[in-house]
Amino acid sequence: DVKVTQSSRYLVKRTGEKVFLECVQDMDHENMFWYRQDPGLGLRLIYFSYDVKMKEKGDIPEGYSVSREKKERFSLILESASTNQTSMYLCASSTHVVNYNEQFFGPGTRLTVL
Amino acid sequence: QKEVEQNSGPLSVPEGAIASLNCTYSDRGSQSFFWYRQYSGKSPELIMFIYSNGDKEDGRFTAQLNKASQYVSLLIRDSQPSDSATYLCAVNSYTGRRALTFGSGTRLQVQP
Repeated sequence: DVKVTQSSRYLVKRTGEKVFLECVQDMDHENMFWYRQDPGLGLRLIYFSYDVKMKEKGDIPEGYSVSREKKERFSLILESASTNQTSMYLCASSTHVVNYNEQFFGPGTRLTVL
Repeated sequence: QKEVEQNSGPLSVPEGAIASLNCTYSDRGSQSFFWYRQYSGKSPELIMFIYSNGDKEDGRFTAQLNKASQYVSLLIRDSQPSDSATYLCAVNSYTGRRALTFGSGTRLQVQP
């Protein structure tokens, strides 16, 4: 059974803190993604990676960075958390293979920045 | 214009009826289309995908694709209260980006 796991389901941090969100997949997928989801705004792509040590900016990368040192792990970093980064964060992975590249999502991390 | 558009709803149908969810997309180069279901507070889960024009059936679900008109739809037959959720349409356009583009979702309410 395919599996994407995220390090925390709920996280509360203070403004200015550095925050790490971890995502691990066990499907040997090449592609990994970080989204945030806010009411009325849908899923918005922050960053994605199509190979180890490779990353590309999504639609809203400002205030975020990512790290992919191993194929199975993709980390999202909030360098200095701000209240407008309070959101649900979703990690996903997919294969490269054309027409079989549906994304599988982790359970999500609900982050609150106070 | 948004790349992937869905009516936000809520779409309310009685139990046992057919629910019809629609999605339009702007990129004519789009090649693969996905429907995800998301329960409140949960992450999206894949229901169906479709690549070719026409219908694709899986149990109570049918996905319909019309590339000429740039729309994709999801029909849910014999709707159940457990189908109440937000349904997300996602499109992969192969324009150099490997990420899917998601619509904002349609909230479906199935009334017992």
